[in-house]
Amino acid sequence: KQEVTQIPAALSVPEGENLVLNCSFTDSAIYNLQWFRQDPGKGLTSLLLIQSSQREQTSGRLNASLDKSSGRSTLYIAASQPGDSATYLCAVALPYRDDKIIFGKGTRLHILP
Amino acid sequence: SAVISQKPSRDICQRGTSLTIQCQVDSQVTMMFWYRQQPGQSLTLIATANQGSEATYESGFVIDKFPISRPNLTFSTLTVSNMSPEDSSIYLCSGGQGLDEKLFFGSGTQLSVL
Repeated sequence: KQEVTQIPAALSVPEGENLVLNCSFTDSAIYNLQWFRQDPGKGLTSLLLIQSSQREQTSGRLNASLDKSSGRSTLYIAASQPGDSATYLCAVALPYRDDKIIFGKGTRLHILP
Repeated sequence: SAVISQKPSRDICQRGTSLTIQCQVDSQVTMMFWYRQQPGQSLTLIATANQGSEATYESGFVIDKFPISRPNLTFSTLTVSNMSPEDSSIYLCSGGQGLDEKLFFGSGTQLSVL
């Protein structure tokens, strides 16, 4: 059974710092991995999607890496800003159930002004 | 990309009643899903909404409790039936063109059952 774990559960860093959020999954047989952002009381916004054949994806100040063999992904946020404060979730898509995505519990990020 | 409008955004309901949540997508999407997010927890898939046929439910979720409709490729509803306080949660719909593309979410429905 695929399980997705995100560490830490919460993180506070001063504005301007670079930071890394971690995601691990127990079964390396994934179709792809997505990082989402969730603001309080809001839905989820997809930030980056990494296909199983890819190693990383970049969008602006965000960079996500994927190491399938070790079951790990990281989301790197450069030059953090207060507007980056949110919960970040990673999710893996299962290839043998093409309609199922498993989510981690998320990391609550707070950027201190 | 797709924009998903979900309503209501929140509701407070009495035990034993039912609530229907609607999701409207601004473009046709192949796949639509319904999730539940309980406080401090991750998203749990309730079911996949299939266009023109019965939804596919995950273990622990049944059609009598969570009937789902999807009459076309842009619209779906989830009904939470015979509600109890344990149903208090955030319910989210999502949609996309396939798992090799980004998944888009509605803004969620915060449900409180008294």
